[in-house]
Amino acid sequence: NAGVMQNPRHLVRRRGQEARLRCSPMKGHSHVYWYRQLPEEGLKFMVYLQKENIIDESGMPKERFSAEFPKEGPSILRIQQVVRGDSAAYFCASSNYRGRADTQYFGPGTRLTVL
Amino acid sequence: DQQVKQNSPSLSVQEGRISILNCDYTNSMFDYFLWYKKYPAEGPTFLISISSIKDKNEDGRFTVFLNKSAKHLSLHIVPSQPGDSAVYFCASDNFGNEKLTFGTGTRLTIIP
Repeated sequence: NAGVMQNPRHLVRRRGQEARLRCSPMKGHSHVYWYRQLPEEGLKFMVYLQKENIIDESGMPKERFSAEFPKEGPSILRIQQVVRGDSAAYFCASSNYRGRADTQYFGPGTRLTVL
Repeated sequence: DQQVKQNSPSLSVQEGRISILNCDYTNSMFDYFLWYKKYPAEGPTFLISISSIKDKNEDGRFTVFLNKSAKHLSLHIVPSQPGDSAVYFCASDNFGNEKLTFGTGTRLTIIP
């Protein structure tokens, strides 16, 4: 059973470009979480999605960031008009249970570098 | 506002000895605590957890202690092995909330 997959693993963008990060959850998992780790910091919750629904986006920056988890295909975290401060590692996690933090399985992350 | 703090960015321990990693939290609403282990270029992997109704949870070489009055938890690894070298994160949430709050991590190096 493949684990959580994220691609690309490394993404370089120039300021003002768009970044699209993909997360394929583990088979059978319908809950997806996105976290961001800025340099020298811990992971910070961004958004929690179920298929076709955003459940909790309280950690998402108000502008330029959006996330979706369509009925078919991976979850996408989209960052428009990237700035240098968006440079970070972005991790997604998936789970097949709601309300069980210890069932979140993390992907290897996408490291975004904004030039 | 750092609600979960790991004040030691790094720790070196001799193989076979005990490793003790510490974590403090400020949010009294947190009632569930987790430790994750992270290798370079990989995502965090769940290690062990404890709910606030307990003060100790043990799983093999790993034991987590919770001191609610001090808002402090610690992870004990004994005996330490070279494969334990990694970054360790503590994390907390309101039980059932799923919105994990992570500390900044402690890099543990086991010296052979």
